[in-house]
Formats: sequence, C-alpha cells, structure tokens
Amino acid sequence: AQSVTQLDSQVPVFEEAPVELRCNYSSSVSVYLFWYVQYPNQGLQLLLKYLSGSTLVKGINGFEAEFNKSQTSFHLRKPSVHISDTAEYFCAVSGTGTASKLTFGTGTRLQVTL
Amino acid sequence: DAGVIQSPRHEVTEMGQEVTLRCKPISGHDYLFWYRQTMMRGLELLIYFNNNVPIDDSGMPEDRFSAKMPNASFSTLKIQPSEPRDSAVYFCASSILTGNTGELFFGEGSRLTVL
Repeated sequence: AQSVTQLDSQVPVFEEAPVELRCNYSSSVSVYLFWYVQYPNQGLQLLLKYLSGSTLVKGINGFEAEFNKSQTSFHLRKPSVHISDTAEYFCAVSGTGTASKLTFGTGTRLQVTL
Repeated sequence: DAGVIQSPRHEVTEMGQEVTLRCKPISGHDYLFWYRQTMMRGLELLIYFNNNVPIDDSGMPEDRFSAKMPNASFSTLKIQPSEPRDSAVYFCASSILTGNTGELFFGEGSRLTVL
C-alpha cells in the first residue's frame, strides 16, 4: 500500500512571492504521483501528474513539481503566487498496477495575501 | 461539455433518516468513484465502479452505506439510517482510465449534515 504525507497543513504567503508545498510518499513499489487543487466549495481538479519520464513536471496555472525518488518527495512549487491561488492543495499517490487506488494526503491550505 | 453533476448540493436531515446522493458522470467515462471528505479523516475513497460494476467497496464504512450504478450515466450513494457522524462532503468523480494513470474529474460535492 502507498501513503502520502503533506508536511504543512497551512502555508501563508504574500502575493508574488514564491511558494513550495511539501509532499512525501511511502511505497514499496513504483508509484504515480499527483497534485490536485480544491477551490472553496468546489471539487478537486488535477494540477499535474508524474507517471514516468522527466522528473520535473509542469502543470496548469504556472505550477510545477519535481519527483525525487531518493528522497521520496514530490514537492509543488510556483515562482510567484497570485491571490487566486488561494485554495487547498492535495498530493496523491498510487501504485503503477492497474488495480492500484489513488490515496490522497490530508491537504495543505495555501493562503495568499496582499 | 458538462462535468460531473451531483445532487443535492446540500442536504440537512435528522438522524435515522434515509439519505440518497446522486451522481451523473461525464459521458464516456467508464470509471466512477465515490469519496467522502471530512476535517478529521480527509478524503476517503468509499467505492468505485468500472463499467457500472462495483470493483472495490472496501472503503464503505458500514452496512448502512450502499452504492449502485444502474447504468453508465447514473449512480447513487445511499445511507440508511443516517447518523450525525456521517456528516461530510461526498464527492463523485469519474475518469476514462483508472485513477492511477488517468485524471479524475470531480463533481462539486454534496454537503450532508445529519442532526
């Protein structure tokens, strides 16, 4: 089974500042990794995903994440955040087998202020 | 193209009452997932279907919970009888591929409050 840990429950940041949301995973097998975003009163939507290939993955809204196998991490970054990035961000992991299920982290609340 | 549609958006009921939540997946998607989101437990997978067949219901908390998918365009999650600890936001999601490679498309959720 796989698990994912999001180390920060809340991250406050000023607009136009850079941000990193941390995610570490645990698995005994190869994994796929995902970041989803949830805006208030909405469902989750996919930001980006790592399945294979380049370890630096670019997603929507200027976000990117880097898969680091040795550190079992998949941190999400954005060089300059906007007020509209305020949301809950979820890291998720699954095994590569077709029967594997997606397991979500507990979420990180990104609060962007002026 | 319409996304995943859930109803009702909000439901307030009293303990012991039956609750039925509904979901219409995106047309052409052959996987459907039901999740529950609470502050304490985060996002939990309850059950998922492939081509209308339940594949894994190990996340269903107890026999009070049941889910059906009578056709490719409709699914229900039923709680009978409901209890205050069932209060949560219930999400339906659909995808073309399994969740581990494909993108899950979530509905806006059904917020359930059991008094």
